[in-house]
Amino acid sequence: SYELTQPPSVSVSPGQTARITCSGDALPKQYAYWYQQKPGQAPVLVIYKDSERPSGIPERFSGSSSGTTVTLTISGVQAEDEADYYCQSADSRAHVVFGGGTKLTVL
Amino acid sequence: QVQLQESGPGLVKPSQTLSLTCTVSGGSISSGSYYWSWIRQPAGKGLEWIGRIYTSGSTNYNPSLKSRVTISVDTSKNQFSLKLSSVTAADTAVYYCARIVVVTATQYYFDYWGQGTLVTVSS
Repeated sequence: SYELTQPPSVSVSPGQTARITCSGDALPKQYAYWYQQKPGQAPVLVIYKDSERPSGIPERFSGSSSGTTVTLTISGVQAEDEADYYCQSADSRAHVVFGGGTKLTVL
Repeated sequence: QVQLQESGPGLVKPSQTLSLTCTVSGGSISSGSYYWSWIRQPAGKGLEWIGRIYTSGSTNYNPSLKSRVTISVDTSKNQFSLKLSSVTAADTAVYYCARIVVVTATQYYFDYWGQGTLVTVSS
C-alpha cells in the first residue's frame, strides 16, 4: 500500500525556519496537502496542491515539491505554530493516505 | 460558513456496530461538487482515512476497512453517516467528518472538519 513518510519530530527556536518533509513514491504525480493539528482540535488545512495557501493562513506557511519529497516550510516560527503537522495525498485509486505526522516543538 | 457536527454513541461494545452521523449546516450537502468523508484518529496516533461519499451515493473506502464500513447520505436531512461493523478495541478513536474538495478524479483534500467525537469500544 502507498505510504507517506514524515520525520516524527522537528524542533526550532522562535523566529527560525522550520522545514517538515514528506516523502512518497507517487508525489511526483500527485499533489500533497498539509494540515496543522493542535491538541484537542480538528486538523486545519494550511497548504493545498503542494504550495497553495488557503485564505486566512499566515504567509509564513509555504510549501514546495521536489521529486518524491514535499516540504512544508514555516518561516519565522512563532510559539503558536507548535502543533502536529500531517501531509496527505492519494494513490491512483483515490484512496487517501496521510503521513504519520510530525510534532513541531518551538523551543 | 460550512459547519460539520458528529453525533452518536460514545461507547460501543466489542463485536457490535459503530454508528455515527455528521450533520452539515451553513450550506446544502448537495450543492457544489463536494464529497463527504470520515477520518479517525486513535489517541496519540495519526490520522486514518475511512472513506468518502458523493451525494449520488457513490462511495470509496479505505481498503483496510472496506469489509466493515458503510457510508451513506441523507440529503433531505443534510447528513451523512458511518457504520463500522464488528468493532474491537482497535477501533477506539476520535472520529471526524469532513468536507472534500475535489482537485482531480484521484486528488482531493479536506477543507472543513467537524470537531470530532470520541468513540470507545469496551464491554
